[in-house]
Amino acid sequence: EVQLLESGGGLVQPGGSLRLSCAASGFTFTTYAMSWVRQAPGRGLEWVSAISGSGDRTEYAGSVKGRFTISRDNSKNTLYLQMNSLRAEDTAVYYCAKGGRTIFGEALDYWGQGTLGTVSS
Amino acid sequence: DIQLTQSPSFLSASVGDRVTITCRASQVITNYLAWYQQKPGKAPKLLIYYASTLQSGVPSRFSGSRSGTEFTLTISSLQPEDFATYYCQQLNTDPFTFGPGTKVDIK
Repeated sequence: EVQLLESGGGLVQPGGSLRLSCAASGFTFTTYAMSWVRQAPGRGLEWVSAISGSGDRTEYAGSVKGRFTISRDNSKNTLYLQMNSLRAEDTAVYYCAKGGRTIFGEALDYWGQGTLGTVSS
Repeated sequence: DIQLTQSPSFLSASVGDRVTITCRASQVITNYLAWYQQKPGKAPKLLIYYASTLQSGVPSRFSGSRSGTEFTLTISSLQPEDFATYYCQQLNTDPFTFGPGTKVDIK
């Protein structure tokens, strides 16, 4: 059974940092691309970032490029999102999601339960 | 960036109704479009990928189709558990944008 468990959310001041983690199980982690998707309170879904199975290719939404870094540790079956220079508009539930064998073209077939990151003074 | 528009943004329907939701892309995205269902407080669930392929375990009353840059999600006979918000997502070109969502509510 595929399981994705996010952690690392919390309250941080504007300009601060958070590091989210997503522990994966139930599939061959290194084979699949992974994504982060966020949802601000009462709003729709926003794709944030994706990383290839090997970790050699990454993609970012324009709203987070230069501030967020996606990475993965395939020896630990764990996906990360390092979020720096946080703004109030980054407040959201952050979901990790499993993609396909490539970043492009493949839908997100399993999702974690999400972790809430709140940016506020 | 590729923009996705969904219509309607809100839909009120009854159990047993046939429901159609449309997603239009601002550029050609071939068949790289997925549909998700989200219920309040829950993570999204994949329904359809490659525009018309039903995800394993999803009831056959859900179907998807494509005509050019217009994509359609159809629920043939709405069930009580289908009241939710539905999102399309394009996976052709990064950023992999989502549509704004269509909320399906009980009439």
